[in-house]
Amino acid sequence: LAKTTQPISMDSYEGQEVNITCSHNNIATNDYITWYQQFPSQGPRFIIQGYKTKVTNEVASLFIPADRKSSTLSLPRVSLSDTAVYYCLVGVNRDDKIIFGKGTRLHILP
Amino acid sequence: DTAVSQTPKYLVTQMGNDKSIKCEQNLGHDTMYWYKQDSKKFLKIMFSYNNKELIINETVPNRFSPKSPDKAHLNLHINSLELGDSAVYFCASSQGAGYGYTFGSGTRLTVV
Repeated sequence: LAKTTQPISMDSYEGQEVNITCSHNNIATNDYITWYQQFPSQGPRFIIQGYKTKVTNEVASLFIPADRKSSTLSLPRVSLSDTAVYYCLVGVNRDDKIIFGKGTRLHILP
Repeated sequence: DTAVSQTPKYLVTQMGNDKSIKCEQNLGHDTMYWYKQDSKKFLKIMFSYNNKELIINETVPNRFSPKSPDKAHLNLHINSLELGDSAVYFCASSQGAGYGYTFGSGTRLTVV
């Protein structure tokens, strides 16, 4: 099972770009890298998923180096509403024991 | 329209009781899951169902039993509730590898 390590917490300011890095040294060949966002009293929300190189959507970018042993979630121009816990997951959705780690508690300051 | 809906949102009950949490998804996804989030905010997978077949069953007590009447529903039955069962339970669904999970809003279970 691929375990992930990410910072416990981060602070940033409105309008800044925030990068959260996740380490997953024992990622398997078939594993995807997925990031979720969770607000208090809500379920996690899918942000972005990738396998290699770079993926970008309307919310974030995901950078994955060639060795895939880490990944970086990039949130452009954050706002106060981006304050949440961000989880990095590694695995295959179906038939796998995907583990949510402790996540990174991101706090955006005005 | 809510993609993954679970009821009730809050559930307070006494030790020893039996309770159920319902989950429905209207996304046409093949796989549904139950997760437990404890007081330390760890999210742990409990069960998943694919085409009415249990494919993941983590080491949860057999007091917990998932029941799927059809592809769109995965209910969670809990017998003989204990204090340690207090947590937030999330239902989720997935279309498959590469698509991520869609989670419900959670059911906060409090056992007193």
